[in-house]
Amino acid sequence: NAGVMQNPRHLVRRRGQEARLRCSPMKGHSHVYWYRQLPEEGLKFMVYLQKENIIDESGMPKERFSAEFPKEGPSILRIQQVVRGDSAAYFCASSLRDGNTEAFFGQGTRLTVV
Amino acid sequence: GENVEQHPSTLSVQEGDSAVIKCTYSDSASNYFPWYKQELGKGPQLIIDIRSNVGEKKDQRIAVTLNKTAKHFSLHITETQPEDSAVYFCAASLPMDSSYKLIFGSGTRLLVRP
Repeated sequence: NAGVMQNPRHLVRRRGQEARLRCSPMKGHSHVYWYRQLPEEGLKFMVYLQKENIIDESGMPKERFSAEFPKEGPSILRIQQVVRGDSAAYFCASSLRDGNTEAFFGQGTRLTVV
Repeated sequence: GENVEQHPSTLSVQEGDSAVIKCTYSDSASNYFPWYKQELGKGPQLIIDIRSNVGEKKDQRIAVTLNKTAKHFSLHITETQPEDSAVYFCAASLPMDSSYKLIFGSGTRLLVRP
């Protein structure tokens, strides 16, 4: 059973470009979380999604950031018009169900904005 | 909202000694407390977790204790080995509005000296 798969592992974008980060949850998991980690800091919650639904996006910046988890395919975190401050590691986690169940993390996508 | 404080930020121990990392949380409604180990360039890996109806949990060399009254929980690693060197994060989960997002501490960099 493959773990949480994120791609790409590394992504370089110029200021103003769009970044698309993909996350395939563990098999059978229907709950996906996105977290952002700045260098030397802890992980900060961004958004929680179930299939075709955004449950909690309280940690998402109001502009330029969006997330989706379609019925088919991976979850996508999209950052439009990237700025230097968006440079970070973005981690996806999945869980079997909600209610304080174990969340398993992917290897992350390290976004660098130049 | 929930806030998680973690101490110390760095910890250096001699191989074979014990290591203790402590976390406090602010919201008494939090009921799930996982610990993650993050190695360089990798995603967080769940190593142990505890729920609010339990005071202590042990898994081989790793144990976690929870004091609900004081709102703090601790990770104990005995007989440390060099491969235990990593950054450790505590987290708390606050079930509100159907969201079970994890609120992370700022991390503890553990170095086990051979």
